[in-house]
Amino acid sequence: GAVVSQHPSRVICKSGTSVKIECRSLDFQATTMFWYRQFPKQSLMLMATSNEGSKATYEQGVEKDKFLINHASLTLSTLTVTSAHPEDSSFYICSAPIGGGHGYGYTFGSGTRLTVV
Amino acid sequence: EDQVTQSPEALRLQEGESSSLNCSYTVSGLRGLFWYRQDPGKGPEFLFTLYSAGEEKEKERLKATLTKKESFLHITAPKPEDSATYLCAVQALRSNSGYALNFGKGTSLLVTP
Repeated sequence: GAVVSQHPSRVICKSGTSVKIECRSLDFQATTMFWYRQFPKQSLMLMATSNEGSKATYEQGVEKDKFLINHASLTLSTLTVTSAHPEDSSFYICSAPIGGGHGYGYTFGSGTRLTVV
Repeated sequence: EDQVTQSPEALRLQEGESSSLNCSYTVSGLRGLFWYRQDPGKGPEFLFTLYSAGEEKEKERLKATLTKKESFLHITAPKPEDSATYLCAVQALRSNSGYALNFGKGTSLLVTP
């Protein structure tokens, strides 16, 4: 149980275009979704936190106008990379807390490899 | 500031050669220390959560232990299928985000036949 389905798994886009990444909680309600970015041989870095029905909160240094997050329902959170540039190429992963709040565990999506050409 | 440091960065073992991975951390008020396995191009897969010093958890060939300053992931008689990157993370209170995970850079493990 507690599966987060993330799509697409890979996407290649042209510089200047926008890309949407979706994360769906399949068998539970995700009131919170964390969005991470991972560069090669680096750790997962938290970008932002989305909460259902409210505005996302962004970590320092992350441009909220570039990385648009929407969490309109308890089972869907989306990250849109707007006007993508090659430096936005990375591995994006979503994660939701499970097991009764923030003290139990976190389940992760399978990740999206974004390549901007 | 919360910090998570993993060592070694990479480890190569022969099949059956046991070893340990280290995760040292500094955090104001540990709520949980997590171990994950990550295969190339995939999201992290949950292994263990440890909450207090002295706690130990086991799963097949893996055993995780926790002290007040560090955690170890012991791998006994590893097999090639144990090859992956092992990530350590602490649950940290972020001023804007509630409780999120703060990750180390991981240890890349390669087990050769």
